[in-house]
Amino acid sequence: EDQVTQSPEALRLQEGESSSLNCSYTVSGLRGLFWYRQDPGKGPEFLFTLYSAGEEKEKERLKATLTKKESFLHITAPKPEDSATYLCAATKASGSRLTFGEGTQLTVNP
Amino acid sequence: DTGVSQNPRHKITKRGQNVTFRCDPISEHNRLYWYRQTLGQGPEFLTYFQNEAQLEKSRLLSDRFSAERPKGSFSTLEIQRTEQGDSAMYLCASSYGPNTEAFFGQGTRLTVV
Repeated sequence: EDQVTQSPEALRLQEGESSSLNCSYTVSGLRGLFWYRQDPGKGPEFLFTLYSAGEEKEKERLKATLTKKESFLHITAPKPEDSATYLCAATKASGSRLTFGEGTQLTVNP
Repeated sequence: DTGVSQNPRHKITKRGQNVTFRCDPISEHNRLYWYRQTLGQGPEFLTYFQNEAQLEKSRLLSDRFSAERPKGSFSTLEIQRTEQGDSAMYLCASSYGPNTEAFFGQGTRLTVV
């Protein structure tokens, strides 16, 4: 069964303290790995898509990377406004649905 | 285009009542998805459409749930005889094609009392 697992469940950082979030996946025929940000009471907001191992994408303080078994979301010098739940999701070559992990709730304290 | 639109944003209903939610996707997107999310969990896939055709349904989608996308534009999700376990955020998303990024609406929060 396809599975996406995120760790840690929750992470507290001080402003400026860089860290990484992990997304491990067991998906046969992975086609794409997606990262989303979700604020409380709102829908997920698209951040990145990664399609092949070794691929990296950056946006402001965020950088996403992909290997054959996992993806990392690196957060450099985070600010309080980066506080949110970060979700990763995978799609298979044979289908279209997103299989989500349970998310990492990030809190950045000023 | 302002993105994916969902209505209503919040719905409180009594157990046993029927409810219907609406989703208006991004206009040029031919794929439309429904997901359900409970507190502290990631979204769970329910069903998706390519144009007006419903191509896949999750086993989570019991016979009390039905979704339509007439004319390949907006979609509705109906839940009949609601149960307390149906309380969740119902999310709609749309995409231009397979395995491309899906953009989500703000969701409809359903509370069954």
